[in-house]
Amino acid sequence: EVQLVQSGAEVKKPGESLKISCKGSGYIFTSYWIGWVRQMPGKGLEWMGLIYLGDSDTRYSPSFQGQVTISADKSINTAYLQWSSLKASDTAMYYCARLPLAPYHFDYWGQGTLVTVSS
Amino acid sequence: QSALTQPASVSGSPGQSITISCTGTSSDVGGYDYVSWYQQHPGKAPKLMIFDVSNRPSGVSNRFSGSKSGNTASLTISGLQAEDEADYYCSSYTSSTGIFGGGTKLTVL
Repeated sequence: EVQLVQSGAEVKKPGESLKISCKGSGYIFTSYWIGWVRQMPGKGLEWMGLIYLGDSDTRYSPSFQGQVTISADKSINTAYLQWSSLKASDTAMYYCARLPLAPYHFDYWGQGTLVTVSS
Repeated sequence: QSALTQPASVSGSPGQSITISCTGTSSDVGGYDYVSWYQQHPGKAPKLMIFDVSNRPSGVSNRFSGSKSGNTASLTISGLQAEDEADYYCSSYTSSTGIFGGGTKLTVL
């Protein structure tokens, strides 16, 4: 059974750094992409970017380029999303999701990680 | 890169059919046959319902179908059921990443 398990909810202050994780199981991790999707409170879904676990090819949507860093450690089947300096506007639910080799849709989703940034 | 355009809300009675539209440009919806649709119930993660315009993943009811014409894709749900009440998002591939629509709230009357 394919599963993506994300790290727990975080409460941070503006300016702090953060790295959240997404661990895959039940499939060959290096044959797929992992993408990240933001959902701000009461709002819609936003593509952030994706990483191919086979060679770490990483792509960012224009709105998120330079704002976050996507990485992975294939030895432990885990992808990451990180911020170097959080803003209040980063408060959102963040989902990781798997994409097939042709990365045009998300076929399995994690449960989401709620990030709250508040002074 | 603006979000794809979806109606904010649609509604229908049990047993009826509804269609949700998703309009983009020649750089996304119109340029690729890589439109997907997701269902999201409140407080839950999204679920893939349609991929590559009209393909259903295993386990998704055949009451859900997708199509595309030009820069507009559509999701049709036939034989509406109470459990279909949810938010629906379209998505399209575009220049190495993707883009979502703004979402449509489906109400089953």
